[in-house]
Amino acid sequence: NAGVTQTPKFRVLKTGQSMTLLCAQDMNHEYMYWYRQDPGMGLRLIHYSVGEGTTAKGEVPDGYNVSRLKKQNFLLGLESAAPSQTSVYFCASSRQGLNYGYTFGSGTRLTVV
Amino acid sequence: GENVEQHPSTLSVQEGDSAVIKCTYSDSASNYFPWYKQELGKGPQLIIDIRSNVGEKKDQRIAVTLNKTAKHFSLHITETQPEDSAVYFCAASPLSGGYNKLIFGAGTRLAVHP
Repeated sequence: NAGVTQTPKFRVLKTGQSMTLLCAQDMNHEYMYWYRQDPGMGLRLIHYSVGEGTTAKGEVPDGYNVSRLKKQNFLLGLESAAPSQTSVYFCASSRQGLNYGYTFGSGTRLTVV
Repeated sequence: GENVEQHPSTLSVQEGDSAVIKCTYSDSASNYFPWYKQELGKGPQLIIDIRSNVGEKKDQRIAVTLNKTAKHFSLHITETQPEDSAVYFCAASPLSGGYNKLIFGAGTRLAVHP
């Protein structure tokens, strides 16, 4: 029972490089989310998805793209990394509907130099 | 706009003491309030939640209280232990959004000293 799995766990990028963060869940959850966590800023929503083939912008979407080609996977892409994107990224999932708690992955620590 | 304020930002207690973390929310239509615990190097984990039709919920040493009139809710940890040391986040579900939206507080770093 893996829950939400994120890969990679750590990554260092040079400014301008691109990369994709992978998130997979095995709970058959309909909704998935990408957050970033910065010191003193709490958790900020980047993008979310309410089902396979659908995505929507969250609070801080600029510089990121996402795709949800399969229900169990939610990919977060950085096309041209910037130092401001240095952060810890968390993926989460939840059941369809309102007022359900999220299950979070263990995070990806990304450093852009 | 939608906002959740969390206090204090840091909390230091002696083992065995109680700890209380408080949150206020802005959207009076919110009706779901989860609490998450984040240990070092890990993702947040749901530890307890409460819905607006309930004023208090308890699970062993942790409890959550909700005051909808004042728009605030609190996490209470009794008989604290060193393993309770972590960052705790509160959250509230606003009515807007059209999905299972949660607004998170900024977090409270709890340190329990032996």
